[in-house]
Amino acid sequence: KQEVTQIPAALSVPEGENLVLNCSFTDSAIYNLQWFRQDPGKGLTSLLLIQSSQREQTSGRLNASLDKSSGRSTLYIAASQPGDSATYLCAVGPMSSARQLTFGSGTQLTVLP
Amino acid sequence: DAGITQSPRHKVTETGTPVTLRCHQTENHRYMYWYRQDPGHGLRLIHYSYGVKDTDKGEVSDGYSVSRSKTEDFLLTLESATSSQTSVYFCAAGEPTGRYEQYFGPGTRLTVT
Repeated sequence: KQEVTQIPAALSVPEGENLVLNCSFTDSAIYNLQWFRQDPGKGLTSLLLIQSSQREQTSGRLNASLDKSSGRSTLYIAASQPGDSATYLCAVGPMSSARQLTFGSGTQLTVLP
Repeated sequence: DAGITQSPRHKVTETGTPVTLRCHQTENHRYMYWYRQDPGHGLRLIHYSYGVKDTDKGEVSDGYSVSRSKTEDFLLTLESATSSQTSVYFCAAGEPTGRYEQYFGPGTRLTVT
């Protein structure tokens, strides 16, 4: 059974800092990996999706990397802003045809002005 | 967001009553999913559908049933609601090929008293 872990559970940084969020998974036979953002009381917004054959994806100030062999992904946020404060979720899509996602518990990020 | 809506958005119900949550999509995605989100557990899969009238169980399916009579609608029913089913419920949809990005609805907050 796939297990996804996100450490730390919470992170507080001053505005302007670069930061890294971590995601680890136990089964390297994955189809893809998605990073989501969730604001309090809201739904999930997809940030980046990395296919199993890719090593990284970039969107603006966000960069996600994937190392399947070690079962790890990182989300790098450059020049953090208070508007980046949210919970960030990592989810792994399996090779099975149903592709149901297995989620980590998330990292709650607070960027202080 | 791939045009995914959920209704109702909020509901309070009493223990023992039946409850039905509705998910509607406008993009004709073949696969649809119901997840629940609880503190400390991230999102967990309840049931999913891989076509009209084709459904299967997920990790936490006990006490839930689903139906899909049209491509665009996926219903989640709690046969007899219990307090342990108090949660936020998310619907998602996608095609399990290519990049396979899963899109999420805004969520339904259900409270069972």
